[in-house]
Amino acid sequence: TQLLEQSPQFLSIQEGENLTVYCNSSSVFSSLQWYRQEPGEGPVLLVTVVTGGEVKKLKRLTFQFGDARKDSSLHITAAQPGDTGLYLCAEVDSSYKLIFGSGTRLLVRP
Amino acid sequence: DAGVTQSPTHLIKTRGQHVTLRCSPISGHKSVSWYQQVLGQGPQFIFQYYEKEERGRGNFPDRFSARQFPNYSSELNVNALLLGDSALYLCASSSLSGPYGYTFGSGTRLTVV
Repeated sequence: TQLLEQSPQFLSIQEGENLTVYCNSSSVFSSLQWYRQEPGEGPVLLVTVVTGGEVKKLKRLTFQFGDARKDSSLHITAAQPGDTGLYLCAEVDSSYKLIFGSGTRLLVRP
Repeated sequence: DAGVTQSPTHLIKTRGQHVTLRCSPISGHKSVSWYQQVLGQGPQFIFQYYEKEERGRGNFPDRFSARQFPNYSSELNVNALLLGDSALYLCASSSLSGPYGYTFGSGTRLTVV
C-alpha cells in the first residue's frame, strides 16, 4: 500500500505571507487530489491533477504535480485567515478508493 | 441543493456496544463511500458502494459492515465497539463509480468510552 507523506505537519503564519506544503510518495501516483478540511466539517475537494508537470491555479492557490508523478505541492499566495484548515492530499488508489496523507494543519493569524 | 447528510452528528457509546451511522447522498448520486478519520490523521477508506453493490472494502475488521438501500442511502454498522473506534466517520457520495467528484458529509463524531 502506498504511503503519502505530507510536510510540514503544522504551519502557523501571519496573514499576507506565502507558503508551500508538500505531498510525497515513493511510488508513482496515478492521479492526485487536494482537499481542505475545516474543523467539524468533511474534506472539500480543491483540485485533481493527473498529468506529470501539470500546474493548476485556483485563485491564490497553485497546485503542481511533479514531472515523475511522485510528488505534488500546494502554494498559497498572500494567505488569509480563511485559508486556515487541514490540507490533505489523496491518491486515487484504484477504481474505488482514495488513500489520504495525514495532512498539513495550517493556521493563518490575523 | 442538499449536500451529503449524515446522522447523528455526535454520539457516545460504551465499549462492546453496537452503533449504526447513516448517510444520505446528494440526489442523483449512486455511489457512497465511508471513511474513518482518527484525530490527527487523514481519512482511511472503509467501504464503497455503487448501485447497491459493495465495490471495495478497506483493511477493517469484520466488526465493520455496511449496506446501501434502493434510494442509495447507506448505513455503516460497527459491532463490539472498542476505544480505538473513536473517530470521525465520513460519508462521501459521487455520481461516478470511481473516487472522483466526491462530496463529503460533515461526518459523525463517535466517542467510545
